[in-house]
Amino acid sequence: NAGVTQTPKFRVLKTGQSMTLLCAQDMNHEYMYWYRQDPGMGLRLIHYSVGEGTTAKGEVPDGYNVSRLKKQNFLLGLESAAPSQTSVYFCASSYEGQPNSGLVPETQYFGPGTRLLVL
Amino acid sequence: AQKVTQAQTEISVVEKEDVTLDCVYETRDTTYYLFWYKQPPSGELVFLIRRNSFDEQNEISGRYSWNFQKSTSSFNFTITASQVVDSAVYFCALSAGYGGSQGNLIFGKGTKLSVKP
Repeated sequence: NAGVTQTPKFRVLKTGQSMTLLCAQDMNHEYMYWYRQDPGMGLRLIHYSVGEGTTAKGEVPDGYNVSRLKKQNFLLGLESAAPSQTSVYFCASSYEGQPNSGLVPETQYFGPGTRLLVL
Repeated sequence: AQKVTQAQTEISVVEKEDVTLDCVYETRDTTYYLFWYKQPPSGELVFLIRRNSFDEQNEISGRYSWNFQKSTSSFNFTITASQVVDSAVYFCALSAGYGGSQGNLIFGKGTKLSVKP
């Protein structure tokens, strides 16, 4: 099992360019998440998905879009990159119960991160 | 509102010292989960522990121990006889709420621990 993998590991963009970050998990997890980590800020949730074909906004969604066309993949897109989006991006996945069921949220397992620099 | 506060930004200790990392959380939910993650210099996030709000029993795993106290909304992490390999940033996180926000983690800003030989 590879767990959670992220592609690419590092990328440099110019302001206004677009790119897509790919997250893949082989644990058959239902839930997937995208976070960004900035110095002194901890991790902040960008978007998340509770299942194939569904996505929802997190704490800092502006400037990003996501798609979950396949259960194992969660894509994070930047349509027009800005220097403020320079960050380290982490993807995570977890097994979750059905929404509103009151079932226990399981542990989130993280990918290795993608370092993005926007000039 | 949900919030996690790690008041200690950086801690420096000498090897073999004991060190406690503090975590204070806020939530209105009665059911919630608390986590600790370790981020070594290599950058990955390593899961350490999960604790649910109904279980206040302290936990020990080798040199690591966790003290969960609902009365003070704290979930502190102690490393006994610290080692250089313990040097990392440690994050405390809270998961609360159900429905659309089920499972979303709220992270503290992290505590950077440096263990010197």
